[in-house]
Amino acid sequence: IAGITQAPTSQILAAGRRMTLRCTQDMRHNAMYWYRQDLGLGLRLIHYSNTAGTTGKGEVPDGYSVSRANTDDFPLTLASAVPSQTSVYFCASSLSSGRPNEQFFGPGTRLTVL
Amino acid sequence: AQTVTQSQPEMSVQEAETVTLSCTYDTSESDYYLFWYKQPPSRQMILVIRQEAYKQQNATENRFSVNFQKAAKSFSLKISDSQLGDAAMYFCAMDSNYQLIWGAGTKLIIKP
Repeated sequence: IAGITQAPTSQILAAGRRMTLRCTQDMRHNAMYWYRQDLGLGLRLIHYSNTAGTTGKGEVPDGYSVSRANTDDFPLTLASAVPSQTSVYFCASSLSSGRPNEQFFGPGTRLTVL
Repeated sequence: AQTVTQSQPEMSVQEAETVTLSCTYDTSESDYYLFWYKQPPSRQMILVIRQEAYKQQNATENRFSVNFQKAAKSFSLKISDSQLGDAAMYFCAMDSNYQLIWGAGTKLIIKP
């Protein structure tokens, strides 16, 4: 592993189903982030974690949950998917949440909720 | 509220020419970082260049440079000698409160 990996690459999901998007980094970064990217809206922060064991809500947290049991992994869970959660999801990490907060990104997961 | 605005949804440039992408932001902080990220069709987000607000000298990375105007809260990206591989979405971002605030992006088209 080099950098950030995300799984799956893409997924089609029936509404109401539970889904966990996986994110793993091997850079020993303290901070991790989940974004969703929708056309014309750029990146919107869903949840973040400044360090293992802590999480926080971003701009659009409703319908999503995260956990940070260790430094490397930061899974994002949709408890009951809805069509408005159709999006491309990016996981990112940074050495620290403090400045300069240069973030490194995973390849993204394209999620379609029908 | 901290905001980042990219007013150009799409730009096009002839190969080998120079293009400038605009970004304005709003913040009450005196020290902060600004970033330009590139997202090619592969979807991977790649850092292009970053600028620290208290540094007056504009950052440069090979063919990429910025025009940072702190008083005007402007942070434009200049791409010189445009290449086909520069075709991508470009996002401007600012760090604020331990997070990044993102612009909506500019799609750059390179004409051969």
